[in-house]
Amino acid sequence: GENVEQHPSTLSVQEGDSAVIKCTYSDSASNYFPWYKQELGKRPQLIIDIRSNVGEKKDQRIAVTLNKTAKHFSLHITETQPEDSAVYFCAASTNNAGNMLTFGGGTRLMVKP
Amino acid sequence: KAGVTQTPRYLIKTRGQQVTLSCSPISGHRSVSWYQQTPGQGLQFLFEYFSETQRNKGNFPGRFSGRQFSNSRSEMNVSTLELGDSALYLCASSLLPSGGAVYEQYFGPGTRLTVT
Repeated sequence: GENVEQHPSTLSVQEGDSAVIKCTYSDSASNYFPWYKQELGKRPQLIIDIRSNVGEKKDQRIAVTLNKTAKHFSLHITETQPEDSAVYFCAASTNNAGNMLTFGGGTRLMVKP
Repeated sequence: KAGVTQTPRYLIKTRGQQVTLSCSPISGHRSVSWYQQTPGQGLQFLFEYFSETQRNKGNFPGRFSGRQFSNSRSEMNVSTLELGDSALYLCASSLLPSGGAVYEQYFGPGTRLTVT
């Protein structure tokens, strides 16, 4: 089955700096890659996603890139703010798996004011 | 639209008991997936229901089961509870077009289950 690895497990940045979180996946059939943000005690919140027919997607300060050949995708957050502090999860899925998401282990992002 | 809701939010059970958790999806969403979240294992897929049928199942023992009703609401049941079943159980709903493409999933707040 699919295996998703996520790095780093913790990331500390200064407010205003950029943050990059990387994920690799094993199943070349995977074609949907969402990112979730989970604040302490809250539900995971979908912040951005990308499908395999697209190489990059941006939404304000957040961007995701996908390299299908290398089987990795990354989340980029620019101009970080303290409210960006949370745990971020990447995930992967295929059409054949329905809505089954395989998650990475999570990255705890801390943005220091 | 109202978001995904889950009840109860917190549960404390004893080893050997069984528990039933409930999930109401976003109005119009027909797919409901369940996930277990623990500090050690992270987020793991349990199963997915669509049109009252289980479409996918994760690698969990048969003590974990679920069902979906005609209004798309879903329940999951865990029998013969073990200490290791203590976790946050999350459900997620999705609008599933007939083409079967993967669609965005939106999570509920979760049910925090503690087994003592």
